[in-house]
Amino acid sequence: DSGVTQTPKHLITATGQRVTLRCSPRSGDLSVYWYQQSLDQGLQFLIQYYNGEERAKGNILERFSAQQFPDLHSELNLSSLELGDSALYFCASSVGTSGREELFFGEGSRLTVL
Amino acid sequence: AQSVTQLGSHVSVSEGALVLLRCNYSSSVPPYLFWYVQYPNQGLQLLLKYTSAATLVKGINGFEAEFKKSETSFHLTKPSAHMRDAAEYFCAVSDQGGKLIFGQGTELSVKP
Repeated sequence: DSGVTQTPKHLITATGQRVTLRCSPRSGDLSVYWYQQSLDQGLQFLIQYYNGEERAKGNILERFSAQQFPDLHSELNLSSLELGDSALYFCASSVGTSGREELFFGEGSRLTVL
Repeated sequence: AQSVTQLGSHVSVSEGALVLLRCNYSSSVPPYLFWYVQYPNQGLQLLLKYTSAATLVKGINGFEAEFKKSETSFHLTKPSAHMRDAAEYFCAVSDQGGKLIFGQGTELSVKP
């Protein structure tokens, strides 16, 4: 158990819909990262938050947005969903941002868009 | 920009044989490098990391990796494969702010 909790574990929805994925980081971790894992793209970094502030942005579509709340949990919002958005979405957390620390990963939220 | 390349998307070994998973990195600064493992239907788990201390890094489950600056490599090895080692393995390099940039992954199969 990494200590990172993601909900829901599985989600099936239709094209055009909107979903919210939730992540609770490990106790004490201030940094949260979102990744997308798909067969064709591999593990892609989406976005990072540190103590409530956006820290870095990767290959995140404009239809996607995220935030980190004062209690440090984070949500990833995916809207106007397309078939190609079907993927496994991981949240990870770390204590800081030095780059030396390990990222702890949740078990992921598997999104299927039909 | 930092990047890693994993050579071989699939590697198959026999139980008891040497495991060698290859990773080469590209970095404009001294890198921090990581190997993670992903078992089916699970998240990623850290195997080991290099953060500029000893160049030979020992990790969990009998794995180790050697940082070779001259070859820009960080290959993962295990002397003797077990069936339970079958999984997907990811090499990663740390980028600005702490995020990790992952390679495409190598799926390891272990034959009895």
